[in-house]
Amino acid sequence: RKEVEQDPGPFNVPEGATVAFNCTYSNSASQSFFWYRQDCRKEPKLLMSVYSSGNEDGRFTAQLNRASQYISLLIRDSKLSDSATYLCVVNKGSNFNKFYFGSGTKLNVKP
Amino acid sequence: ETGVTQTPRHLVMGMTNKKSLKCEQHLGHNAMYWYKQSAKKPLELMFVYSLEERVENNSVPSRFSPECPNSSHLFLHLHTLQPEDSALYLCASSQEATAGYPLSYNEQFFGPGTRLTVL
Repeated sequence: RKEVEQDPGPFNVPEGATVAFNCTYSNSASQSFFWYRQDCRKEPKLLMSVYSSGNEDGRFTAQLNRASQYISLLIRDSKLSDSATYLCVVNKGSNFNKFYFGSGTKLNVKP
Repeated sequence: ETGVTQTPRHLVMGMTNKKSLKCEQHLGHNAMYWYKQSAKKPLELMFVYSLEERVENNSVPSRFSPECPNSSHLFLHLHTLQPEDSALYLCASSQEATAGYPLSYNEQFFGPGTRLTVL
């Protein structure tokens, strides 16, 4: 079983739509959680960390459910510029950081 | 700018060449990583250095040889590569959890990558 699983998509949505991505992780000892964004042929860039109480940054809301080992990302009022691949990342680190990446969910926002 | 730089950005090499990829981080982090990303595939962790010590070698062939001379610099030495090694090689850095710097702030930052083509 993969450490981090995501629906690969693609999610094709119109501008202004609300879209949600889910991610599950296998190791209950995982310590910290993140969403990254990766544009085509570019490096992943941190979108937001995911905190236990849930957190929001503008149009983006991240939620963590430790009991179900589940992370979500909600994007409201989608923009064309949101088109990218969204990577769910889990740090299982004990003695040292050990990051596990999902395979990514591709989002296409269309006019 | 993420504070992590990589050179060269593009590299074309033959199977008999020897080359090195360089990564430098300006973020004061104490952990550095090499990842490989092949076309349409997820990131594959290759090596992890924590506090300048290699702590992870993810079954990487010996034709890839990492070097971490200090906490700011990381190299990946390449020799006798195969065409299937063509990929985007990404360097990243993060801060290990220490007193006063909890795990929840240990985001990983990536360099722009080296796009490698092996002929």
